[in-house]
Amino acid sequence: SQKIEQNSEALNIQEGKTATLTCNYTNYSPAYLQWYRQDPGRGPVFLLLIRENEKEKRKERLKVTFDTTLKQSLFHITASQPADSATYLCAPHNYGQNFVFGPGTRLSVLP
Amino acid sequence: DVKVTQSSRYLVKRTGEKVFLECVQDMDHENMFWYRQDPGLGLRLIYFSYDVKMKEKGDIPEGYSVSREKKERFSLILESASTNQTSMYLCAVQGLEETQYFGPGTRLLVL
Repeated sequence: SQKIEQNSEALNIQEGKTATLTCNYTNYSPAYLQWYRQDPGRGPVFLLLIRENEKEKRKERLKVTFDTTLKQSLFHITASQPADSATYLCAPHNYGQNFVFGPGTRLSVLP
Repeated sequence: DVKVTQSSRYLVKRTGEKVFLECVQDMDHENMFWYRQDPGLGLRLIYFSYDVKMKEKGDIPEGYSVSREKKERFSLILESASTNQTSMYLCAVQGLEETQYFGPGTRLLVL
């Protein structure tokens, strides 16, 4: 069955450093992969989408890579700020299949 | 962006009660989803709908039903609430580029 793993349940980093979150998936071949941010008690908010034919995508301080051979996506936040503290969810998806989200990584950026 | 509203932020019900959770979008998108989110289990898809009066089961439909009488409105119904349905319920609308726009969530407590 399809399985999505995110590198760790929680990640603490110092303000100004680059945070790197990992999403690994098994038993399927997504056509694209999305990353969402979720704050406590709120619904997830879409951040970025990367397609299987794209290696890398950037948006402001965010960068996402997608390696279909390794079945992995990396999500980077450069120059991290305490306001970046949240849970980040990845969602690899293929057309015609139900949406499945990873368990999330809770990022804490320490001042 | 799509604005998604949910009828209640917090709800307390008794075992056996019928519970209605309503979700409304401010656009004309076809696909709407209901998820529940529990600690350690992540987001799980209950039901989705791709048009008026159309519905499809997600991964955990047992104990739930849905209704989509108008395009902008998608309701989740718990016919007879049970304590194991205590959870955070999130509605989502699929917009352009397959992104999902989530509502603020309803935290349901069943006593």
